[in-house]
Amino acid sequence: QVQLVESGGGVVQPGRSLRLSCAASGFTFSRSAVHWVRQAPGKGLEWVGFISYDGTKEYYTDSVKGRFTISRDNSKNTLSLQMNSLKAEDTAMYFCARAHVTLVAFDLWGQGTMVTVSS
Amino acid sequence: DIQMTQSPSSLSASVGDRVTITCRASQTISTYLNWYQQKPGKAPKLLIFVASSLQSGVPSRFSGSGSGTDFTLTISNLQAEDVATYYCQQGYSTPLTFGGGTKVEIK
Repeated sequence: QVQLVESGGGVVQPGRSLRLSCAASGFTFSRSAVHWVRQAPGKGLEWVGFISYDGTKEYYTDSVKGRFTISRDNSKNTLSLQMNSLKAEDTAMYFCARAHVTLVAFDLWGQGTMVTVSS
Repeated sequence: DIQMTQSPSSLSASVGDRVTITCRASQTISTYLNWYQQKPGKAPKLLIFVASSLQSGVPSRFSGSGSGTDFTLTISNLQAEDVATYYCQQGYSTPLTFGGGTKVEIK
């Protein structure tokens, strides 16, 4: 079954860290670039960042640059999002999404994992 | 950053109607424009890529057009299962950005 499954969300205090994971199955993960996209409660979609198929290229939105890091382990078909120095405004549902062949669209999404930053 | 503006923010139409959603970019993005459908509590789903190409498995009643700064998503023959929020997204430059969404309801 072609799918992405996120995990690792939860409630965390401001300033703390959290690591999200995304497990891929049913397709050749090592050939696929991947994005993270988030959605604050009741709000629209916000692109977080991208990692190339081989992990050599990463791009981030400015609001998370220097705090978030995307990495991947192609031997385990997993993607990670390390989130440090978390802020209340990082509260959102986090989706991993496979890059379309154009690289800049998202053609397969996980179900999302919720991150709540609150004291 | 490229700003994406969608209109209307919500609409109500009858089953069988033709529905049009517009998306405007703050600068030219060629045809690097994608459309998504998000149903409540679910992840988004890719409908249209590069402005007018239908994603595999998406019903042909969905279509997209436009280039430069102005784009449209059309749902011909609206169905009850099309109730959702629709988002445009530009892929021309990072940060990739989305429109604010258009909520489609059945009258």
